[in-house]
Amino acid sequence: DTGVSQDPRHKITKRGQNVTFRCDPISEHNRLYWYRQTLGQGPEFLTYFQNEAQLEKSRLLSDRFSAERPKGSFSTLEIQRTEQGDSAMYLCASSSGTSGGYRTDTQYFGPGTRLTVL
Amino acid sequence: AQSVTQLGSHVSVSEGALVLLRCNYSSSVPPYLFWYVQYPNQGLQLLLKYTSAATLVKGINGFEAEFKKSETSFHLTKPSAHMSDAAEYFCAVSESLDMRFGAGTRLTVKP
Repeated sequence: DTGVSQDPRHKITKRGQNVTFRCDPISEHNRLYWYRQTLGQGPEFLTYFQNEAQLEKSRLLSDRFSAERPKGSFSTLEIQRTEQGDSAMYLCASSSGTSGGYRTDTQYFGPGTRLTVL
Repeated sequence: AQSVTQLGSHVSVSEGALVLLRCNYSSSVPPYLFWYVQYPNQGLQLLLKYTSAATLVKGINGFEAEFKKSETSFHLTKPSAHMSDAAEYFCAVSESLDMRFGAGTRLTVKP
């Protein structure tokens, strides 16, 4: 078990460009989450997958953002037409879904992808 | 609606001193509460969680937290701080899929 991995760890882009991040959850974890963390703040929930199905999206996830988990394993988060306000750390987490309920499930976090939009 | 307030964005203690990080929550249903730690350039690591069993929860690295419903609090403590405890600590509440995190408390440990 190598933990949750994210790629790239850092991304610098110019305003208006598209970026895509990848998350590889712990193997056999069927739940996957994306969060955004800005400087001095805690993570904010963006979206949630149960296997390949995207079951929950935050209002923070504007139509410029899209997330996929096509085979129920890795996930991608794409941001189109990036804006300076998108600069943040994007965190991915996964959980096994075996604790019996969403609310008590322990989420394991990856190291994050730090996005800087110039 | 659920929310978490962490009192004190920065806490500084001497090595060997008591660590107390404060967290108050608001939830419309019985809450499930978590403490996570984040070291620089790393993701969050679970310290402990409260899921309606014992109100005193013991976690990793000598940390523990006590759920007090009457005070809507879930403060994190450690009897003796170690230099390696220096990090950012986040309290979180889970009411549904949407886990809400506090703004975090940065713990500094002085030698």
